[in-house]
Amino acid sequence: GAVVSQHPSWVICKSGTSVKIECRSLDFQATTMFWYRQFPKQSLMLMATSNEGSKATYEQGVEKDKFLINHASLTLSTLTVTSAHPEDSSFYICSARGRRSNTEAFFGQGTRLTVV
Amino acid sequence: KQEVTQIPAALSVPEGENLVLNCSFTDSAIYNLQWFRQDPGKGLTSLLLIQSSQREQTSGRLNASLDKSSGRSTLYIAASQPGDSATYLCAVGVTNSGYALNFGKGTSLLVTP
Repeated sequence: GAVVSQHPSWVICKSGTSVKIECRSLDFQATTMFWYRQFPKQSLMLMATSNEGSKATYEQGVEKDKFLINHASLTLSTLTVTSAHPEDSSFYICSARGRRSNTEAFFGQGTRLTVV
Repeated sequence: KQEVTQIPAALSVPEGENLVLNCSFTDSAIYNLQWFRQDPGKGLTSLLLIQSSQREQTSGRLNASLDKSSGRSTLYIAASQPGDSATYLCAVGVTNSGYALNFGKGTSLLVTP
């Protein structure tokens, strides 16, 4: 299967700072990338969908000014958590999909964010 | 909105047993369904992908079936092993959601030696 690399795998930051998470498709062109988060003992919830070169589409309840998503190339998407607060502590995971609409979505390894 | 439910929420079985995990979804307009494994604190490992036109997929000791009309999928694990202990997630891709995946809450499986 295709490889999606997510970095960092874990990060601890202070309240009020910003954190950037990178998601790269290593061996295919990701026309669409998805960002999910998972709170403890909960399922993965979609935060936003981004298509290369377009603004991201955010799910209801997700603040677009707080969670900045950039998908400037076909192999890289970034999620920046701005002015992080302890309640933003979660597991963030990206997935990428290629050009075919029924293509399997490939997931990164996830990022454990802890805001102290 | 697509709702994905997984039953049971948790399961403990002795090694060697065959077991079935259930997944149901409310909107049959799916384009595929995937089963994942998630180990504690880790990312997702894709186990099986079933396209909407397919009825089942098999990989080793795993077999997943899909009945789109009834909104159900099952994951069958044969001859379970302690290494199978993990959380198993069912996710459906819905056409009108930009092909994002809607996840269930998972079934936490413990296989005891």
